[in-house]
Amino acid sequence: DQQVKQNSPSLSVQEGRISILNCDYTNSMFDYFLWYKKYPAEGPTFLISISSIKDKNEDGRFTVFLNKSAKHLSLHIVPSQPGDSAVYFCAASPPGGQNFVFGPGTRLSVLP
Amino acid sequence: GAGVSQSPSNKVTEKGKDVELRCDPISGHTALYWYRQSLGQGLEFLIYFQGNSAPDKSGLPSDRFSAERTGGSVSTLTIQRTQQEDSAVYLCASSLSWGPYEQYFGPGTRLTVT
Repeated sequence: DQQVKQNSPSLSVQEGRISILNCDYTNSMFDYFLWYKKYPAEGPTFLISISSIKDKNEDGRFTVFLNKSAKHLSLHIVPSQPGDSAVYFCAASPPGGQNFVFGPGTRLSVLP
Repeated sequence: GAGVSQSPSNKVTEKGKDVELRCDPISGHTALYWYRQSLGQGLEFLIYFQGNSAPDKSGLPSDRFSAERTGGSVSTLTIQRTQQEDSAVYLCASSLSWGPYEQYFGPGTRLTVT
């Protein structure tokens, strides 16, 4: 019973175009969301987060959108670069944040 | 150190043996988390510590798994009588405190049980 879902296991995008990675969750109590990027043989690295009181957070080329009614969030990367090729994990946390629930990840390939 | 460190980076062990994995969190981080990632799977939460106590042990897969943290710093994850299904990358993360703070991950320990 996955509480955080990333239904696309992989995504390929041309360099310079927009990458959109999607994440759905089932627990309406989640109120804090994060995106992590993971290169092979390395631990995940934090990218961007959003609190449920917001519907958008932007940091450089990365923007996260949150649709609470749909229990959906997405990460937009514009413009995509080859160095963005990695596995992207969506994570969610209930109030108090003692535990983060991760999605299965989406492998992004940015083609030069 | 500047980041979270884990040792060993790789561990190959025979089925039935015990293994101990170590995590050194970022200095000053009071919360520490253990996850594992099996091949082709997402991150699976195992246990977290706030200080030296572990309020939530529900993620541990079986009673063969245990973890401790001493001095509010280093943590060890012990797997007794390892099984082949224990093969995975075990990741440790730390954050400033419990709560919705970003977690900083170590490079992981790749455990292979033969």
